[in-house]
Amino acid sequence: GDSVTQMEGPVTLSEEAFLTINCTYTATGYPSLFWYVQYPGEGLQLLLKATKADDKGSNKGFEATYRKETTSFHLEKGSVQVSDSAVYFCALSSGVDSNYQLIWGAGTKLIIKP
Amino acid sequence: NAGVTQTPKFQVLKTGQSMTLQCAQDMNHEYMSWYRQDPGMGLRLIHYSVGAGITDQGEVPNGYNVSRSTTEDFPLRLLSAAPSQTSVYFCASSYNRDSNQPQHFGDGTRLSIL
Repeated sequence: GDSVTQMEGPVTLSEEAFLTINCTYTATGYPSLFWYVQYPGEGLQLLLKATKADDKGSNKGFEATYRKETTSFHLEKGSVQVSDSAVYFCALSSGVDSNYQLIWGAGTKLIIKP
Repeated sequence: NAGVTQTPKFQVLKTGQSMTLQCAQDMNHEYMSWYRQDPGMGLRLIHYSVGAGITDQGEVPNGYNVSRSTTEDFPLRLLSAAPSQTSVYFCASSYNRDSNQPQHFGDGTRLSIL
């Protein structure tokens, strides 16, 4: 079945460092890919998405490119801030093939130190 | 601008007790769902609903019941609590079941079963 694999955390960086959180997937067909973020004590919220190969999703300085050839959707940010500390979830949906349900990665906790 | 509201935020139960987790949304969303979040496992879908009067099982439905008598409300019932149900529970809603629609999450209910 479909699955999502994220790099294990926590990932600890200094402020202004470059961030990469790896996400790879296995899926039948052509899934849509998502990054959600969960700030402490809150629910998840959509950060960005991409619906087809080579699409780049971006929001709040974060970017991720849908790479079909490597089945990846890595999250990147050029200069992180303390306020980016959160748990980041990669997810996919194969649409009707997966009954429109989202398949979630385990989450990666990001800690940014000032 | 309430969005998705979950109550209670915290609850401690004894094994065998029953309780209902409440979820309400004010966005007139068709699609609502319940997830549980466990360490290292991401989110797992318990039950979902594509509209009032329609519910279906997700990945881990055993021990839980749901109903959807109105568009706004989607309560989750634990029939006889077990320690394995200790988790953080999230309710989510979206405009419809199309997974490209962003899901809006509540802040979660942290449930401990003793």
